This record gives sequence, structure tokens and C-alpha cells, in this order.
Amino acid sequence: GAGVSQTPSNKVTEKGKYVELRCDPISGHTALYWYRQSLGQGPEFLIYFQGTGAADDSGLPNDRFFAVRPEGSVSTLKIQRTERGDSAVYLCASSLTWWASYNEQFFGPGTRLTVL
Amino acid sequence: KQEVTQIPAALSVPEGENLVLNCSFTDSAIYNLQWFRQDPGKGLTSLLLIQSSQREQTSGRLNASLDKSSGRSTLYIAASQPGDSATYLCAVNARAGGTSYGKLTFGQGTILTVHP
Repeated sequence: GAGVSQTPSNKVTEKGKYVELRCDPISGHTALYWYRQSLGQGPEFLIYFQGTGAADDSGLPNDRFFAVRPEGSVSTLKIQRTERGDSAVYLCASSLTWWASYNEQFFGPGTRLTVL
Repeated sequence: KQEVTQIPAALSVPEGENLVLNCSFTDSAIYNLQWFRQDPGKGLTSLLLIQSSQREQTSGRLNASLDKSSGRSTLYIAASQPGDSATYLCAVNARAGGTSYGKLTFGQGTILTVHP
């Protein structure tokens, strides 16, 4: 079956603009995660959803970042008033469930965000 | 706060060698540990997941071990091939800080180059 998909694959924007990044999880996966990866670093956790609700948003860097998952499937990460420091690859992952010790996370190809 | 360290940061070996990648973590209260592979400009591919109750997992030429008490995991790659060249990341799913089961904490990765 299809894996996790993310759109767009690349996004270039100007400082101060608003951007939306979309994630389509694997069908039937109830948990969805967002991470951010800077060059040469491992991914850093942003937020994860159990169904429609955000179970843990402790990784969101500030209130310019917001994510939704209104129907428990597709998720959108929204960044307001973008800054150059927001430039990174934004990765989305999903897993069948969130509570079990075997909840393997599967990642999408990422969206490369560049803020000029 | 969970911290994950991977050693070495980079490794270059001739084709055919067996090799070991190391991962250590500071908080042993984990649910599971995942090893990922990342090719340049791509997302993460899950290689192996070890549950906290397990000691090792095997998939083809890959074997991952887990010693929770000492906070260590190793990824063993047998008979390395040029196609194994990639960045290898380990990530732990820990309970530190409350009820968050889903959050993965990543190491910075080991860049592996296998030359013919």
C-alpha cells in the first residue's frame, strides 16, 4: 500500500509569509507525528496526534507554529510569520497506534522549507 | 531529558567488512528503540524496531541489540555493500516526562560510506 506522503516536496517563501505543509498518513494509522530536521542533525520532535487531538505539542518552538488533523487522517502544519531560522526539512510520520511498545513509525519524504 | 548519542559520527569501510554502529541513551525507561536509514535528500526508512522487552532483532544482514539497563544499542551490518552507504539514525521512544508514548528522540546519526 501507499506510504506516508507529504506536499509540497519543496517550498520557498519570503520572511514574514505564511506557509502550510500537508501530510497524508498511511491509511488506517491512528497516530501522526511531525518532526523537523536541520542539516546534519537528527530529526527533532514537534507534535503528535492521537486521532484528531494533539496528544503532545511540547516540541513546537513557539506560537507561530500550529498543526491540525480535523478528521483524524490528513494533517496540516501551519507556520505564521516565517523566519529564516524556520528553514529545515519537515518530516511527517505515522504509526498504527500510539500506545504499544511495537508502534513502529513510518516516515514520509519530507518537505524542504526555505525562508529567504 | 532523554539524550541520544551515536558513535562514530562517520565511518568509511571497504566492501565486505562487518561493522558495528553504536547508540547510547540516558534514560532507560524506554518503550522501544528504532533504527533508521536515511539516504541524501530523502526521508527515513525504518530498519528495525526493538521493543523494551526484547534483546535483539534481525532482518537480513542487519542485527540490532538492546541493553536497556546500560542505555545502549548496537546495529551490526554483515558483509557490507556500497548500497549500504547512507546515514543511520537511532531513535528511542521514552516515557520520560509523563504520558507521551509517541515521541521519538533521535541521535545525530552515523554517516556510513562503503567503498568498492
